[in-house]
Amino acid sequence: GESVGLHLPTLSVQEGDNSIINCAYSNSASDYFIWYKQESGKGPQFIIDIRSNMDKRQGQRVTVLLNKTVKHLSLQIAATQPGDSAVYFCADTGNQFYFGTGTSLTVIP
Amino acid sequence: DVKVTQSSRYLVKRTGEKVFLECVQDMDHENMFWYRQDPGLGLRLIYFSYDVKMKEKGDIPEGYSVSREKKERFSLILESASTNQTSMYLCASNGQPLYNSPLHFGNGTRLTVT
Repeated sequence: GESVGLHLPTLSVQEGDNSIINCAYSNSASDYFIWYKQESGKGPQFIIDIRSNMDKRQGQRVTVLLNKTVKHLSLQIAATQPGDSAVYFCADTGNQFYFGTGTSLTVIP
Repeated sequence: DVKVTQSSRYLVKRTGEKVFLECVQDMDHENMFWYRQDPGLGLRLIYFSYDVKMKEKGDIPEGYSVSREKKERFSLILESASTNQTSMYLCASNGQPLYNSPLHFGNGTRLTVT
């Protein structure tokens, strides 16, 4: 069946460096994609979304890139800070309600 | 800002008890969801509701039921709690369209069944 997943379960980044978190999806009909961040002890929080008519969308220090050809989504975090340490989840229209285990980002001071 | 409030942060219940987890959202969202989150398994959808008195099963509905009598409130019920239901429970809501609006989560209820 359709699935959404993340490439790496863990990622460690030096404070101040840029982070890239990747996600693959399988539903070619998906037209809406979302990234969530879950800090320890809290529920997931919406970070940024992108629709399929766009390739790139920027927020505050975050950029989401969408490559529909290879069905790949990435979240880029600029100048990573300790407060960015969290688990990150991606979701797409076909699997909006289904989350994998996410990528755990650790920022090294 | 959307606020999703779960009534309890921590709960400890005994095996066999009937347990109610309550969730309230203040954004007039049509859709509400219950998940459980366990280490190594991620978030798994238990039930969701797209309207008052309407419900749909998610991936793991066994052992659970839900109630949505008012638009803002969605309750998860463990009819007879068991130790394998010890978990973090997360409530979420979203607006329309159902599949194209982000979910807004509460901060969870950590349930321990002894």
